Amino acid sequence: QITLKESGPTLVKPTQTLTLTCSFSGFSLSTSGVGVGWIRQPPGKALEWLALIYWDDDKRYSPSLKSRLSITRDTSRNQVVLTMTNMYPVDTATYYCAHSLTTVTTRFDYWGQGTLVTVPS
Amino acid sequence: SYELIQPPSVSVSPGQTASITCSGDKLGDKYSSWYQQKPGQSPVLVIYQDAKRPSGIPERFSGSNSGNTVTLTISGTQAMDEADYYCQAWDSGTAWFGGGTKLTVL
Repeated sequence: QITLKESGPTLVKPTQTLTLTCSFSGFSLSTSGVGVGWIRQPPGKALEWLALIYWDDDKRYSPSLKSRLSITRDTSRNQVVLTMTNMYPVDTATYYCAHSLTTVTTRFDYWGQGTLVTVPS
Repeated sequence: SYELIQPPSVSVSPGQTASITCSGDKLGDKYSSWYQQKPGQSPVLVIYQDAKRPSGIPERFSGSNSGNTVTLTISGTQAMDEADYYCQAWDSGTAWFGGGTKLTVL
């Protein structure tokens, strides 16, 4: 059974760095085709993809946020960490991590419960 | 940048067929996925690779890809299908989501 859970601060001050941890079970990030991605959703708005780390440690980032994002993995601890620098009020959102599987294309087939991060103005 | 366009809302009567479209430049050359999100819940993958259903997704959910438009079709729509639906595709190594469509079953 694949499960993922996000953890991190619920409140981040403007200009600070956000660090979120995705703890997962039921799969190995060393398995070919497997990845973990981060997706966020501002209140009442659409989903926005942020980053993805693949089984071979290849990393991809949203072009608009690439300069602010970093994604790393700790395979032994079954964790993936996302850092986002220079947080602004517009970054207030629910942040999800998701298991991805790449065959012909990549899909996000299991999602965590999400964690709401607020950046006050 | 790449844009996926969805209608903001679609309404359907129970038992009828709902169709939600998603359009994008050369979308027909890419594979798309669809996610269902109910209020207060995490998204759920309902269609991937244009037309494949993950295990556990009812057969009434189907997908198609034609030209620059992909379509999610829900046959025999049930009240439990009321949700937001998002299309998603990859372009130049980046994942893009559509703006979402609110499906109302009334």
